Amino acid sequence: NAGVTQTPKFQVLKTGQSMTLQCAQDMNHEYMSWYRQDPGMGLRLIHYSVGAGITDQGEVPNGYNVSRSTTEDFPLRLLSAAPSQTSVYFCASRPQWGDTEAFFGQGTRLTVV
Amino acid sequence: AQSVTQPDIHITVSEGASLELRCNYSYGATPYLFWYVQSPGQGLQLLLKYFSGDTLVQGIKGFEAEFKRSQSSFNLRKPSVHWSDAAEYFCAVGPQSWGKLQFGAGTQVVVTP
Repeated sequence: NAGVTQTPKFQVLKTGQSMTLQCAQDMNHEYMSWYRQDPGMGLRLIHYSVGAGITDQGEVPNGYNVSRSTTEDFPLRLLSAAPSQTSVYFCASRPQWGDTEAFFGQGTRLTVV
Repeated sequence: AQSVTQPDIHITVSEGASLELRCNYSYGATPYLFWYVQSPGQGLQLLLKYFSGDTLVQGIKGFEAEFKRSQSSFNLRKPSVHWSDAAEYFCAVGPQSWGKLQFGAGTQVVVTP
């Protein structure tokens, strides 16, 4: 099993550029989410999804869009990148039922210049 | 409001000494509780988790944590640290149905010879 796969691992953007961070999981998990990690702030939830076609905002959603057209994929879109979006981004998935933890991808380190 | 507090931003410990990392949370109901570890440039690795039952939980790498409901705490301990334990540690809480994981700001652990 690949688990949760994030691409790319590293990315440098110029201010105003757009890009999509990819997240795919092969565990048939209903729940998927995106977090950003900044020094001294832990991980903060950006957006999450409880199933295909259903998404909702987390703690820091501004500047980001998501969609969930399939169970496997949960891309995160930056429409117009800003330096404040320089961060490390983590995608996570979890099954809907059962006592289990969230499974995290390896992260995408994004720098906006 | 839900919150997770890790009071210690930075801890320095000698190799072979004991380690305790504190985590306090504010939550409306009994949450799921987790400790994750992150080595430099790496993703998140789950150390241990608490869902219910025995309040002392054992994890990987010789770590354990104790859930104290009356104190709203979930402190992480290790009797004897190894140089490889140098990393950042995150406490996280979440509802017993999937929702949004709330992370603490993290504790950076430095291990000295």
